[in-house]
Amino acid sequence: AQSVTQLGSHVSVSEGALVLLRCNYSSSVPPYLFWYVQYPNQGLQLLLKYTSAATLVKGINGFEAEFKKSETSFHLTKPSAHMSDAAEYFCAVSDRRSNYQLIWGAGTKLIIKP
Amino acid sequence: EAGVTQFPSHSVIEKGQTVTLRCDPISGHDNLYWYRRVMGKEIKFLLHFVKESKQDESGMPNNRFLAERTGGTYSTLKVQPAELEDSGVYFCASSQEQISEQYFGPGTRLTVT
Repeated sequence: AQSVTQLGSHVSVSEGALVLLRCNYSSSVPPYLFWYVQYPNQGLQLLLKYTSAATLVKGINGFEAEFKKSETSFHLTKPSAHMSDAAEYFCAVSDRRSNYQLIWGAGTKLIIKP
Repeated sequence: EAGVTQFPSHSVIEKGQTVTLRCDPISGHDNLYWYRRVMGKEIKFLLHFVKESKQDESGMPNNRFLAERTGGTYSTLKVQPAELEDSGVYFCASSQEQISEQYFGPGTRLTVT
């Protein structure tokens, strides 16, 4: 069965520092991978997605993620954190065996220190 | 173009009562999904409609939950009778194709006391 593991329920970085949010997945068939963000009091918004094209995916707000099949990882990065990046981030996987329903990680709250 | 909307945004009910959540997908999106996040846990899939048909309802917790999508437009999710463990945030999403990006609504926060 598919699963997603996000390392760290909370990650704290200083403003201007590198953001790295970790996501590992399991899937027995080629996966689609997603990062969603939920800002306070808002709905889920797609940051970026991997759908078997380029392994380095660029998303909105300066975020990017790299699909590494050998490591079954899809970590999210941003070179320089802004205060406005404070939110909860979710990694999700889908594939044809799950009828493309999204299987979610537990979420990581990103805290930005001034 | 309007996004996915959900109503109500919050609902507080007593154990044993009935609650109906509504989701209006993006116009023209045949695929509609319901997800739930119980506090402190991951978001879980509940079910998937294609137009008015239930494509996959494997995530529905039990028969106290009933989802409908009459006419293939908006959908309702009824919980009857509600239990304490039903508390959480219920998200709705829609997409054009099954493998397309899913657009999410703001969610309905349900509290059962």
